[in-house]
Amino acid sequence: DIQMTQSPSSLSASVGDRVTITCRASQSISSYLNWYQQKPGKAPKLLIYAASSLQSGVPSRFSGSGSGTDFTLTISSLQPEDFATYYCQQSYSTPRVTFGQGTRLEIK
Amino acid sequence: QLQLQESGPGLVKPSETLSLTCTVSGGSISSSSYYWGWIRQPPGKGLEWIGSIYYSGSTYYNPSLKSRVTISVDTSKNQFSLKLSSVTAADTAVYYCARLVILAAAFDPWGQGTLVTVSS
Repeated sequence: DIQMTQSPSSLSASVGDRVTITCRASQSISSYLNWYQQKPGKAPKLLIYAASSLQSGVPSRFSGSGSGTDFTLTISSLQPEDFATYYCQQSYSTPRVTFGQGTRLEIK
Repeated sequence: QLQLQESGPGLVKPSETLSLTCTVSGGSISSSSYYWGWIRQPPGKGLEWIGSIYYSGSTYYNPSLKSRVTISVDTSKNQFSLKLSSVTAADTAVYYCARLVILAAAFDPWGQGTLVTVSS
């Protein structure tokens, strides 16, 4: 099975900050990597697919990069509504998938 | 727009079988462009993929749950279902259904989720 490891597990930042979250795969997954945002009590929402493609309706301050085993999600200028938990998910072995453990982004 | 809605008992006794149904509206479950999946999230923890199904009935399960999971599809009702047998307290979680878009290989959209508690 492909294991996904996110870092950090939690992160404190301020409105306007640039934030980067990292996801590492246990083997090469090419660009088969997605990012989701989850707010408390809500279902996850797709932000980025195929490592760097922005899902329709997602603000352009979100971006993704990487290939192989190392990936990043960047928020260029944090907004109050961005404080949430973020998950990566490998889709290399679709329809069998695995998620990272999540990164909780909190207000400093 | 496509919507998914989970339904089923919110309380299940230990050793019994958890049964949930996901009803798809606003689109056909029989499209060749999608799989349909179940994902769960224990309270305060991360997301765990349970399994996925194609409209033809082909199924794919998380190896850690495979011996206890059955996912089925009813195209006439535009629904797919989850059965998880021999549940324990560790199976207490919010259960989500979601569409897996093959082209993007990503889950979108998701249902709102339903909390299932395993307790006597």
